[in-house]
Amino acid sequence: QVQLQESGPGLVKTSQTLSLTCTVSGGSFNSGSYYWNWIRQPAGKGLEWIGRIYSSGSTNYNPSLKSRVTMSIDMSKKQFSLELTSVTAADTAVYYCARDPWFQRKGLDYWGQGVLVTVSS
Amino acid sequence: DIQMTQSPSSVSASVGDRVTITCRASQGIGIWLAWYQQKRGKAPELLIYAASSLESGVPSRFSGSGAGTDFTLTISSLQPDDFATYYCQQTDSFPYTFGQGTKLEIK
Repeated sequence: QVQLQESGPGLVKTSQTLSLTCTVSGGSFNSGSYYWNWIRQPAGKGLEWIGRIYSSGSTNYNPSLKSRVTMSIDMSKKQFSLELTSVTAADTAVYYCARDPWFQRKGLDYWGQGVLVTVSS
Repeated sequence: DIQMTQSPSSVSASVGDRVTITCRASQGIGIWLAWYQQKRGKAPELLIYAASSLESGVPSRFSGSGAGTDFTLTISSLQPDDFATYYCQQTDSFPYTFGQGTKLEIK
């Protein structure tokens, strides 16, 4: 069974950098069959796709966040990461990582449980 | 960006009812639409992909249809476990976008 687990600070100061890591277990992380995604959800609101990364390091980002987002991947650790710079209160949200079996065009079939990140001065 | 609009935003229904939720895309997306169920405090779960394909392990009372700009999610006979928020997502082009959600509540 595939499992994804987000980790990182729950509190980030305004104007600083939010850094999260997603650790994948139980699945074919090293295969070329998946993109690895980040999605966020402010409290009581809808879902926003942040971007995705492939095993090669190739990325696609949401243009609304592109200037502040960097994703990276470490195949040896079965981890991928998100950095979001210059954060404000508007970046306070639950952040999810999720798997995208791109060859099936399924959308996001496995998700982490989510991690709440609060941005505050 | 492709805008996804769901209707209704909320719906009240009873166990055993048939419920339909609609998702409209601002431009054609072929069949590249997924539906998710999200329960309070939990991550979304994939129900339907490619507009009408049922994800493994999802009960057959869930079904999806549509193509182009108009899509529907139907729950044929509501069960207590189905009361949740439902989201559509287009995976046709970047950035992937979600509908605003439909909250399904117990009448």
